[in-house]
Amino acid sequence: EVQLVESGGGLVQPGGSLRLSCAASGFTFSSYWMSWVRQAPGKGLEWVANIKQDGSEKYYVDSVKGRFTISRDNAKNSLYLQMNSLRAEDTAVYYCARGRLFPMDWGQGTLVTVSS
Amino acid sequence: DIQMTQSPSSVSASVGDRVTITCRASQGISSWLAWYQQKPGKAPKLLIYAASSLQSGVPSRFSGSGSGTDFTLTISSLQPEDFATYYCQQANSFPALTFGGGTKVEIK
Repeated sequence: EVQLVESGGGLVQPGGSLRLSCAASGFTFSSYWMSWVRQAPGKGLEWVANIKQDGSEKYYVDSVKGRFTISRDNAKNSLYLQMNSLRAEDTAVYYCARGRLFPMDWGQGTLVTVSS
Repeated sequence: DIQMTQSPSSVSASVGDRVTITCRASQGISSWLAWYQQKPGKAPKLLIYAASSLQSGVPSRFSGSGSGTDFTLTISSLQPEDFATYYCQQANSFPALTFGGGTKVEIK
């Protein structure tokens, strides 16, 4: 059974940093593109970033470029999102998801709240 | 950037009804479209990919159609467990992915 478990969310002040993790199991992690998708409270889904199987390609939505970094450790079956210079508008549930074009499996999400 | 517009934003329906949700892309995306279902407090679930392919394990009452700019998700006979919010997502501009604004299916 595919499992994706996010962690690392919490309350952070504007300008602060947070590192999200996603632990993967039940599939060959190194064979899949992975993504982060977020959902602000009461709002729709927004793709944030994705990363190729070997980590050689990384892409970001414009609003997080230069502030967020996606990475992965295939030996640990883990996906990460380093978030710096956080803003109030980054407040959301962050999901990790498996798949290239149409993410087929999603974690339960971790809530990031940016507030003073 | 490709924009995805869903309509309606909400629909009220009864169990057994046929429900149709529309998604329009701001430019042609061929068949690079998926549909997701999301229930409150839960992660999205992939229903349809490549515009009309049913994801494994998804009931056959769900179907997708369309290509180019106009797409449709149809639930042929609404069941109690289908009350949720539905999102379309385009992958034509991969690696950038874009979601529609969502359609909430509510109980009439």
